[in-house]
Amino acid sequence: GAVVSQHPSWVICKSGTSVKIECRSLDFQATTMFWYRQFPKQSLMLMATSNEGSKATYEQGVEKDKFLINHASLTLSTLTVTSAHPEDSSFYICSARDLRAGRSEKLFFGSGTQLSVL
Amino acid sequence: LAKTTQPISMDSYEGQEVNITCSHNNIATNDYITWYQQFPSQGPRFIIQGYKTKVTNEVASLFIPADRKSSTLSLPRVSLSDTAVYYCLVGDRELTGGGNKLTFGTGTQLKVEL
Repeated sequence: GAVVSQHPSWVICKSGTSVKIECRSLDFQATTMFWYRQFPKQSLMLMATSNEGSKATYEQGVEKDKFLINHASLTLSTLTVTSAHPEDSSFYICSARDLRAGRSEKLFFGSGTQLSVL
Repeated sequence: LAKTTQPISMDSYEGQEVNITCSHNNIATNDYITWYQQFPSQGPRFIIQGYKTKVTNEVASLFIPADRKSSTLSLPRVSLSDTAVYYCLVGDRELTGGGNKLTFGTGTQLKVEL
């Protein structure tokens, strides 16, 4: 089946530094990828929709200058948390849709990235 | 997107059948119902999807009544490894021509014990 690879799986950084998270679709092309954030014992919250070759669409309340998204190819989207602060510590998850699966709502998710900002 | 309501948590024992019901009173004609499973510190995993009546795969069954205002995920003979959060999602496939996003609700924490 379709596989979405996300790296790194965990990262610890100092406050004020930037962290980049990669999301790759390994065996299919994804024109659209999604980035979620999840706090402990809470549901996934959609942050933004990453569109290949164009600007990302951010959800209300998500700072686009802080969470930079780049979707430069059909298989790679990156999320950069700029000037990270402790409140940015969270579990970040990407997802992508394999259009080969037909008209369905099946999304394939990465394994997530646990970000801890000291 | 149709709002969903599901129990916050459920407990079960190994070998039992577990049924998790999700309410989606405002489901639209084009909406499909999809269930995902999430283990701690992992991304969600697709379980099953359906539009009406009954769908079965190697993992679960999905029962959808005629009015489609609810759906029930059925997990046969659960094991400890089925302990996870289960999300019910409802959405219109045609929202953005194949790239439509999904909004996750609170999910149901299933705990399976010996």
